[in-house]
Amino acid sequence: KQEVTQIPAALSVPEGENLVLNCSFTDSAIYNLQWFRQDPGKGLTSLLLIQSSQREQTSGRLNASLDKSSGRSTLYIAASQPGDSATYLCAVTPTSGTYKYIFGTGTRLKVLA
Amino acid sequence: AAGVIQSPRHLIKEKRETATLKCYPIPRHDTVYWYQQGPGQDPQFLISFYEKMQSDKGSIPDRFSAQQFSDYHSELNMSSLELGDSALYFCASSGYTAPWDNSPLHFGNGTRLTVT
Repeated sequence: KQEVTQIPAALSVPEGENLVLNCSFTDSAIYNLQWFRQDPGKGLTSLLLIQSSQREQTSGRLNASLDKSSGRSTLYIAASQPGDSATYLCAVTPTSGTYKYIFGTGTRLKVLA
Repeated sequence: AAGVIQSPRHLIKEKRETATLKCYPIPRHDTVYWYQQGPGQDPQFLISFYEKMQSDKGSIPDRFSAQQFSDYHSELNMSSLELGDSALYFCASSGYTAPWDNSPLHFGNGTRLTVT
């Protein structure tokens, strides 16, 4: 059974710092991995989607990498800002099973001004 | 750009009552997914629909049912509500059903259900 874990569960950093969020999954048989941002009490906003054949995707200050064989993905946030404070979730689409997207446990990020 | 619309945003019900949550997908999206997110939890898949037919089923209680209508909007019906049903319910839509199509899911802002 696919399990997705995110470390750390919570992170607090000063503004301007570069940071890395980690996502691990137990079964490398995935079609893709997607990173989401969730603000408190709000919906999920898609940040980046990496196909299984890709190694990384970039959008602005965000860079996501994927190492499918080792079951790992990282989300790199450059020059963090207080507005980046949110919970970041990764989700994978397994090739087996019947449904789309198994979510990780999330990393709650707080960027201090 | 149009997003996924969910209604109501907030809903308060008592135990054993019934609730109906609605989801309006992005125009031309034919696939709808429902997720449940408990306090401090990650979203758990409930059920999905493609072209008005149920396509996948996750950890959805028998007390819950859902359907997708001809205009592609979907409704999640929840009966005999329990305190543990209190959660944020998300709807997401995509343009395809195949998981290998690599099209991202677009989520609505959710309906916060509180059962007292």
